[in-house]
Amino acid sequence: ILNVEQSPQSLHVQEGDSTNFTCSFPSSNFYALHWYRWETAKSPEALFVMTLNGDEKKKGRISATLNTKEGYSYLYIKGSQPEDSATYLCAPQNRDDKIIFGKGTRLHILP
Amino acid sequence: DAGITQSPRHKVTETGTPVTLRCHQTENHRYMYWYRQDPGHGLRLIHYSYGVKDTDKGEVSDGYSVSRSKTEDFLLTLESATSSQTSVYFCAISARGGDRNQPQHFGDGTRLSIL
Repeated sequence: ILNVEQSPQSLHVQEGDSTNFTCSFPSSNFYALHWYRWETAKSPEALFVMTLNGDEKKKGRISATLNTKEGYSYLYIKGSQPEDSATYLCAPQNRDDKIIFGKGTRLHILP
Repeated sequence: DAGITQSPRHKVTETGTPVTLRCHQTENHRYMYWYRQDPGHGLRLIHYSYGVKDTDKGEVSDGYSVSRSKTEDFLLTLESATSSQTSVYFCAISARGGDRNQPQHFGDGTRLSIL
C-alpha cells in the first residue's frame, strides 16, 4: 500500500462548526479502511473500520463514508467541540493484512 | 482497554548496541504490528505478524527484525542501533478470533533514544 494521502494536513475550526477531511488510497488490493483518533501523548484510538463500497459509519457526532472504487474516504465532525482536537489518521488495510497509515489531519478547535 | 503491554517504556542506549522491544498481549489476537512514530511521518509500519512464526515486512523494515514464537509476544530487535532509529515505537494488535476487519488496539508506546 503506497500513497495514502490525507488532506488537509492541519485544520482550524471554530467551536460549533462542522468540518470534514479526506483520505485517499490506492484501490487495488484493498480490504478495509480504518480511521483513528490520536490525542497528544496518548495512543491512537479506533473510530471506524469500513470494508464495503458505500459504507457509512457513525459514532456520536463523527461519521465516515467510503468509496473503494475511486479510493477515498471522508470523515465528518458535526458541531465541533474542544475535545475533538486531535490528529485523525486513516489507514487502508490490504488483503495481506498490511495496515499503512496516512500522515493524519491535525484538527484544532478554536473556542 | 485491550491488554497490551510494551516494555520497556523508555530506553536510552548507545549507537551499535542491540536493543529488543517487547509487545505482550493478553487478548489472544492473531495479528500484531510494530510501528514507529516520527515528526512529519506519522506512524510507519516496520513489521507485522499474522500468526506464530508468521511475519512480514512493512514500509521501513531495514535495520529491524522481529520474532513471534508464541501468540502473546511480538519482539522487535534492532541488531545494531543507529541514531536514525531514535523514535517512539508503538505495538498494535487486531483481529480477535480471526475476524479480519477488526480495528487495531495500540500499546502505550516505547520511547527509544540512541545516542
